[in-house]
Amino acid sequence: QVQLQESGPGLVKPSETLSLTCAVSGYSISSDFYWAWIRQPPGQGLECIGGMHHNGATYYTPSLKSRVSISIDTSKNQFSLKLTSVTAADTAVYYCAIRIPNLNWFDPWGQGTLVTVSS
Amino acid sequence: QSVLTQPPSVSAAPGQKVTISCSGSSSNIGHTYVSWYQQLPGTAPKLLIYENNKRPSGIPDRFSGSKSGTSATLGITGLQTGDEADYYCGTWDSSLTTDVFGTGTKVTVV
Repeated sequence: QVQLQESGPGLVKPSETLSLTCAVSGYSISSDFYWAWIRQPPGQGLECIGGMHHNGATYYTPSLKSRVSISIDTSKNQFSLKLTSVTAADTAVYYCAIRIPNLNWFDPWGQGTLVTVSS
Repeated sequence: QSVLTQPPSVSAAPGQKVTISCSGSSSNIGHTYVSWYQQLPGTAPKLLIYENNKRPSGIPDRFSGSKSGTSATLGITGLQTGDEADYYCGTWDSSLTTDVFGTGTKVTVV
């Protein structure tokens, strides 16, 4: 059974870089999926951040594109998110998920991790 | 702000039916498949419907999905208290070249 588990600091200072990792079990990170990140500010809806395929293809939501990067570590079977120059508006629960290419659905999702941006 | 519009809330009595609409455009819903997610309080979203109207294993047939033009609909019949949750539609937007989600709908069993 595939499982995803996010990890990383729960508190990041404004202007610094948010870094999260998603450990994958049950599937190889080299499978034909997009490995994606989605976030949800407190009390708000879902926002896709972007995703990466093991072949190097990536996509990022336009509003975050200048600040975000997603990478894959095949040796550790995990993928990562970096978001630079964070502000309070980046405070959210961050989820990692598997996205099926061309079919537009995410399954499964990690349990999520809350990241607060505050000094 | 989301490009997919859902009603903020819907409610019905136990055993009744509710429908949740998801309105988009030709660059998203009108162009490709729609999925739906259920988010129970304090938990991660869970896939409920994929490819417009298919249910993953373990999802009861009380949940159904449909799509017509630039809109999609989620239906829940035989409403149960355990169905109280937030529901989101999702799809790919070919203009934005990213996945987009609906604004979310809170289902309340009254």
